[in-house]
Amino acid sequence: EEQLVESGGDLVQPGGSLRLSCEASGFSFSTSAMNWVRQAPGKGLQWISYITGSGTTIFYADSVKGRFTISRDNARQSLYLEMNSLGAEDTAVYYCARDRGFCSDGSCSSYFDLWGQGTLVTVSS
Amino acid sequence: SSELTQDPAVSVALGQTVRITCQGDSIRTYSASWYQQKPGQAPVLVIFAKNNRASGIPDRFSGSSSGKTASLTITGAQAEDEADYYCDSRDTSDNRLHVFGTGTKVTVL
Repeated sequence: EEQLVESGGDLVQPGGSLRLSCEASGFSFSTSAMNWVRQAPGKGLQWISYITGSGTTIFYADSVKGRFTISRDNARQSLYLEMNSLGAEDTAVYYCARDRGFCSDGSCSSYFDLWGQGTLVTVSS
Repeated sequence: SSELTQDPAVSVALGQTVRITCQGDSIRTYSASWYQQKPGQAPVLVIFAKNNRASGIPDRFSGSSSGKTASLTITGAQAEDEADYYCDSRDTSDNRLHVFGTGTKVTVL
């Protein structure tokens, strides 16, 4: 069974740091691009970061660029999100999601076909 | 960044048809995908690449697109379809990035 399991969410003080993990199983992790998506309490989904299977290409949303770092360890089938300088606005459930690319009508994009259950990060003093 | 706008909430009678729309400039260029999220659960892929159903999704769900509007249609809505629905496409200012729609709460009466 294909599965993603996040961990590492916690209560952290403003300005603090936290590292999230996402362990994959049941599929070829090393050939799969991955993403982090978050959802603040009672709010919508927000995409925050992407990494290719090899780890050589990485993108970030402007809201986390310079503070968050996405990485992966294919030998451990794991994806990570290092979060620094956390603020109240970072309080959210964080999901990892597998990326699947496609091309349609002359342009290419991707979608998220497998999601973890999420891990809660609360930033508060 | 760019925005994808959805109606905040829609309701549909059991067995009837409802269409959820997603508007944004990026839809003209990049096909949308749709996700269903029930309370306390992770999102689930429903439609990808504009009009392809994900594995295990009933055929009452369908997707379409015209101009700057993508649509998700539920034909013969069931009680279990009550959920939040989000569209997803690309950021028009930086097409390497994703952007989600604002979300639509679907209530089945």
